[in-house]
Amino acid sequence: DIQMTQSPSSLSASVGDSVTITCRASETISKNLNWFQQRPGRAPKLLIYAASNLQSGVPSRFSGGGSGTDFTLTISSLQPEDFATYYCQQGFSVPRTFGQGTKLEIK
Amino acid sequence: QVQLQESGPGLVKPSETLSLTCTVSGASMTSYFWTWIRQPPGKGLEWIGYNFYSGSANYNPSLKSRVTISVDTSKNQISLRLASVTAADTAVYYCARDWGSGVIDQWGQGTLVTVSS
Repeated sequence: DIQMTQSPSSLSASVGDSVTITCRASETISKNLNWFQQRPGRAPKLLIYAASNLQSGVPSRFSGGGSGTDFTLTISSLQPEDFATYYCQQGFSVPRTFGQGTKLEIK
Repeated sequence: QVQLQESGPGLVKPSETLSLTCTVSGASMTSYFWTWIRQPPGKGLEWIGYNFYSGSANYNPSLKSRVTISVDTSKNQISLRLASVTAADTAVYYCARDWGSGVIDQWGQGTLVTVSS
């Protein structure tokens, strides 16, 4: 199985800040990396697919990058609704695997 | 728009079989890999497996001996069966749509299943 490791596990920031979350795969996954946002009590929501493609309807303050084993999710100008937990997920092979999550909290 | 809705018992006894159904609307059942994912309370996401309408299933090795995912195109439904459950199987279970390229773009709202006597 491909292991996905996110850092940091938690992060405090203020409205208007920019933050970056990192995801590392245990082996190369090309650009088969997706990012999700999960708010409490809700299903995960796809934000970015194939490393850098913005899912329809997702605000442009979300952006993704990387390839191979190292990937980033950047949220610029944080809004109140962005405080949630974020997960990366590799789609390169089965079993699909997720990072452990990064909880973004209001400072 | 695409909608996925899970249904099934919220409480299952240890050693019994967990059975859930996901009803799909607004999407072709023959174009995607239909997926189940679970999330224990307060924890992260675990991919259970997927199946294609033709029967090309793939399961997480950690669950493979206990899990079956089926696709019924006539009813627009996906089913999950997980045998011999224990308390460790207590989780919110989500059905979801995988493009086949690993992009999981649509999710149901999830249903909590508790394993307890």
